[in-house]
Amino acid sequence: DTGVSQDPRHKITKRGQNVTFRCDPISEHNRLYWYRQTLGQGPEFLTYFQNEAQLEKSRLLSDRFSAERPKGSFSTLEIQRTEQGDSAMYLCASRPGGSYEQYFGPGTRLTVT
Amino acid sequence: SQKIEQNSEALNIQEGKTATLTCNYTNYSPAYLQWYRQDPGRGPVFLLLIRENEKEKRKERLKVTFDTTLKQSLFHITASQPADSATYLCALGSDYKLSFGAGTTVTVRA
Repeated sequence: DTGVSQDPRHKITKRGQNVTFRCDPISEHNRLYWYRQTLGQGPEFLTYFQNEAQLEKSRLLSDRFSAERPKGSFSTLEIQRTEQGDSAMYLCASRPGGSYEQYFGPGTRLTVT
Repeated sequence: SQKIEQNSEALNIQEGKTATLTCNYTNYSPAYLQWYRQDPGRGPVFLLLIRENEKEKRKERLKVTFDTTLKQSLFHITASQPADSATYLCALGSDYKLSFGAGTTVTVRA
């Protein structure tokens, strides 16, 4: 399968712990996105990379959230000092330059207890 | 503030009928609009894109219209099948960024 992959698929953590998620985009896609989705809502934009450069970060994203994309390949999203309100599905998407169609991964479901 | 509104109620239709979903927006000037399908527990899957200067696009049994004056898009699934049951998301695009609506859940009864 050459689609977007995410790991882990599910994560349960206690409040206050740090978590890190990984996204492997489609190999020829140089643009990568992170979204957060809660039940009954559409995906909410978190951040955007073009190659290794992080070009935009949502104002809704607190300083506890950080994302990286070293060498413009896979990306990681870290949440520090998790809170119950961070419980959500975290989606990664990628797309090639010249196309607006985004390809989504299966998501990582985070539950903070 | 910017707002994207999709049908507030879920849609239940009989197999073979046409499902029509609406997407209304305010305080946006999108360069394009996309529709995605999302099944439970999965990521969205791209269906169609329509640009601001286009009125209508078709793909197999799907049709989307885009009226920038009314600030509305309509999404039609013709000859619906139970396999079309899913949540459909409208997304407004400007350059690289997408803003999604909350989605409309469609159930097609056999």
